[in-house]
Amino acid sequence: GQQLNQSPQSMFIQEGEDVSMNCTSSSIFNTWLWYKQDPGEGPVLLIALYKAGELTSNGRLTAQFGITRKDSFLNISASIPSDVGIYFCAGTPIIQGAQKLVFGQGTRLTINP
Amino acid sequence: GAVVSQHPSWVICKSGTSVKIECRSLDFQATTMFWYRQFPKQSLMLMATSNEGSKATYEQGVEKDKFLINHASLTLSTLTVTSAHPEDSSFYICGFLGNTIYFGEGSWLTVV
Repeated sequence: GQQLNQSPQSMFIQEGEDVSMNCTSSSIFNTWLWYKQDPGEGPVLLIALYKAGELTSNGRLTAQFGITRKDSFLNISASIPSDVGIYFCAGTPIIQGAQKLVFGQGTRLTINP
Repeated sequence: GAVVSQHPSWVICKSGTSVKIECRSLDFQATTMFWYRQFPKQSLMLMATSNEGSKATYEQGVEKDKFLINHASLTLSTLTVTSAHPEDSSFYICGFLGNTIYFGEGSWLTVV
């Protein structure tokens, strides 16, 4: 089935540093989404990307839909303590007659004050 | 964003019993919704996709007779874990398909 490879699996950074994570797939995706999940809660949508090459920002977050439609990255600038959590990429693969969202393995972000 | 309410947030049940988790969209209607399962420190794994009024489509390896999905209306879906076992203990998350997928808060199931 469709799989997303997300890296890095974990990051330990200092407050104020920039963060970058990415996802790749062996197949083409229609949509790329980035979610943040806090412990014990459901994932919350950060950024949605719908077109190849699309670059979208949401505050300090920036994400891009790769031109090949097989990858995406998420950048966080000037990290703050509340950025701590697990970030998931997700995408909708091209499946005729169906639509579903598959997730990457997640990137656990830890910030040292 | 859209609001999806999931209930209960936490449930503990005895092995062999059944548990029902309810997922309700509060401010929009959706034909399609999804149920995911997440084990500790792992990603979300899709269990099944359901369309209102139709039978759910289960992912490979997910037992349809064990995880009963009822998509009763455009705003309500339920997941019933039947004859629960300790290995079913997990975080279950529902999602409604709008212009994107809107997730519930999740339900922690512990089977003892």
